[in-house]
Amino acid sequence: AQSVAQPEDQVNVAEGNPLTVKCTYSVSGNPYLFWYVQYPNRGLQFLLKYITGDNLVKGSYGFEAEFNKSQTSFHLKKPSALVSDSALYFCAVRDYNTNAGKSTFGDGTTLTVKP
Amino acid sequence: DVKVTQSSRYLVKRTGEKVFLECVQDMDHENMFWYRQDPGLGLRLIYFSYDVKMKEKGDIPEGYSVSREKKERFSLILESASTNQTSMYLCASSLYLGDNTEAFFGQGTRLTVV
Repeated sequence: AQSVAQPEDQVNVAEGNPLTVKCTYSVSGNPYLFWYVQYPNRGLQFLLKYITGDNLVKGSYGFEAEFNKSQTSFHLKKPSALVSDSALYFCAVRDYNTNAGKSTFGDGTTLTVKP
Repeated sequence: DVKVTQSSRYLVKRTGEKVFLECVQDMDHENMFWYRQDPGLGLRLIYFSYDVKMKEKGDIPEGYSVSREKKERFSLILESASTNQTSMYLCASSLYLGDNTEAFFGQGTRLTVV
């Protein structure tokens, strides 16, 4: 079975400060890991993914995430937050050995960036 | 760019009605998915399809069925709508089984059952 945990329902940061949105995962095999963002009344948009290789992954809008196999984590980060980054963020995992095609999503973290 | 289009943004239906939610993708993707999104529960997979006329149950298939007669179209059917099916429904597609590509999502259908 595969699962994802986003331990924080809400993250609040001031504009210009660094931000981190946490994600931990559990898979029986090897993970594909994804981050998506959802703006109000919209579908999800892909931000970045980890497949293999370099543990630091860079994605859209200046976001990056670090894959940590020993801690089974894939935290989303940005060096300097913008008010426009305020949105709902989802982490997702897919075990490519046993669950081909199906991703499991976390419950989501609401990021609020204040001016 | 991949485009996933859901036929309605907002729907209001009565209890007991049969409801059809339609989704079309334009990039020849093999996989298509239906999720429902509820506050605090994230995205839960209802059904997915990896080929025409093929379907598999997700985590919460009860009360739903699906149809995939053409590769580009995946329909979600609520046989007899109930108030606990009031939710945001998201359709998604991805390239093929076993791949490492991301999913592409439609804009969502907010369904209210009264």
